[in-house]
Amino acid sequence: DGGITQSPKYLFRKEGQNVTLSCEQNLNHDAMYWYRQDPGQGLRLIYYSQIVNDFQKGDIAEGYSVSREKKESFPLTVTSAQKNPTAFYLCASRTGEYSNQPQHFGDGTRLSIL
Amino acid sequence: GNSVTQMEGPVTLSEEAFLTINCTYTATGYPSLFWYVQYPGEGLQLLLKATKADDKGSNKGFEATYRKETTSFHLEKGSVQVSDSAVYFCALRSLMANQAGTALIFGKGTTLSVSS
Repeated sequence: DGGITQSPKYLFRKEGQNVTLSCEQNLNHDAMYWYRQDPGQGLRLIYYSQIVNDFQKGDIAEGYSVSREKKESFPLTVTSAQKNPTAFYLCASRTGEYSNQPQHFGDGTRLSIL
Repeated sequence: GNSVTQMEGPVTLSEEAFLTINCTYTATGYPSLFWYVQYPGEGLQLLLKATKADDKGSNKGFEATYRKETTSFHLEKGSVQVSDSAVYFCALRSLMANQAGTALIFGKGTTLSVSS
């Protein structure tokens, strides 16, 4: 079945450590997104990418980095510069920019600090 | 800037009760509007959408009408079930400030709890 796969489901980070969250989609979607979800705050956009080898900062990009070397993959690295990384991270994708199709979401990765 | 405001929860209902979750938005132009649902421990699933004024989105007994005059997109269901218990997010598609594409802007979510 087509969909978005995020891994791992749970991730623990030590102080000063970088961790990478995986997001893979087999929907042939052009655009991919990373959101952070905190209790009572809804979802906030971290980074997004409209095409391969291009990505843009969202509203809360500080302390995060991404890459888009392949159409199907959009990994998110939470760096040691992100001082409050504990949250639920959601990856999404959709078809090209000029369609009215909605975003599809993965099942999320929950990141916690050890 | 563009924004979405949802009624705060939690909303607690008995089975078969009528549901309304209010959503209003601020945006330039005519954005597409969405309702997503999140079950515990899962990602978001699209519930319904509307792309222009007076459109009605509907799915699984839920409905929402795009009201341009009141900038609203309220979610309704005539008879809720225990299985409808989840968090509901209203969202609009917005052009990013750097003009490099669009992304969703979400409300803070409304938790619905339905008891039998």
